[in-house]
Amino acid sequence: ETGVTQTPRHLVMGMTNKKSLKCEQHLGHNAMYWYKQSAKKPLELMFVYNFKEQTENNSVPSRFSPECPNSSHLFLHLHTLQPEDSALYLCASSGRLAGGPPETQYFGPGTRLLVL
Amino acid sequence: SQKIEQNSEALNIQEGKTATLTCNYTNYSPAYLQWYRQDPGRGPVFLLLIRENEKEKRKERLKVTFDTTLKQSLFHITASQPADSATYLCALDPYTGGFKTIFGAGTRLFVKA
Repeated sequence: ETGVTQTPRHLVMGMTNKKSLKCEQHLGHNAMYWYKQSAKKPLELMFVYNFKEQTENNSVPSRFSPECPNSSHLFLHLHTLQPEDSALYLCASSGRLAGGPPETQYFGPGTRLLVL
Repeated sequence: SQKIEQNSEALNIQEGKTATLTCNYTNYSPAYLQWYRQDPGRGPVFLLLIRENEKEKRKERLKVTFDTTLKQSLFHITASQPADSATYLCALDPYTGGFKTIFGAGTRLFVKA
C-alpha cells in the first residue's frame, strides 16, 4: 500500500451517465494529481492541486471536473464522456512545494474506466 | 515539442543478467530525472531520482546514469530476477518550479527464469 487509495477500482458508464472518482491520501502531502493512462501511451497529467488550489489544468475537456475539498481528498467528476475517455485514471500525491525540487509522487492503484 | 522516448518493444532477458533500459529526451533541459516501476493493474512506484549535476546513482541492484550532453538516461538492473518483470517509466522535471513531471510511455521488461 502506498498510502493513496482510489475508488472505485473499476467503472463502466454510458456516455450520458454522471459518475465521480475519489482519491484519498494518508501521507500528509500538500499536492495531489490526476493522470490519465491509455494503453501504450505516457501518463498524461490532467490536474494538479497544491494546498487545495488548482495549479495545473492541462487543457482537459470540461466533461472532466476536478474537486479538491482539502489536501487529503481529490475527486474527478465525470459527465457525458466519450468512448475515447476509456483509460486508467491514476491519482498521486507528493510533498512538493511550489518553486521547490520534485518530490516522489505516490500513486494510487487507479480506476479502470470503460465508457460505452 | 518536448519528447521522451523509451523503447516501445519489450525487453526479454535471462535471469541473472543485467537489464539496461534507455530513456532519451529532446527539447528538454531537465533538472531532475526519475525512474518508476509499474506492475499490471497498479500505479507507478518510485525507484530512483537523479539530478542534472549527478552522473550516476545507485540503489541496491539498481543503477541510473544521466548524460545531459547525450540527453539520455540509462537504467540498469543487475542480477535480474523474474520478480523484476514490470514496466519501467522514465520521468523528467524540466525545472524546479511548477508541478509538471513529464512521463515516458515505459518499457516492458520480462526476466525469464
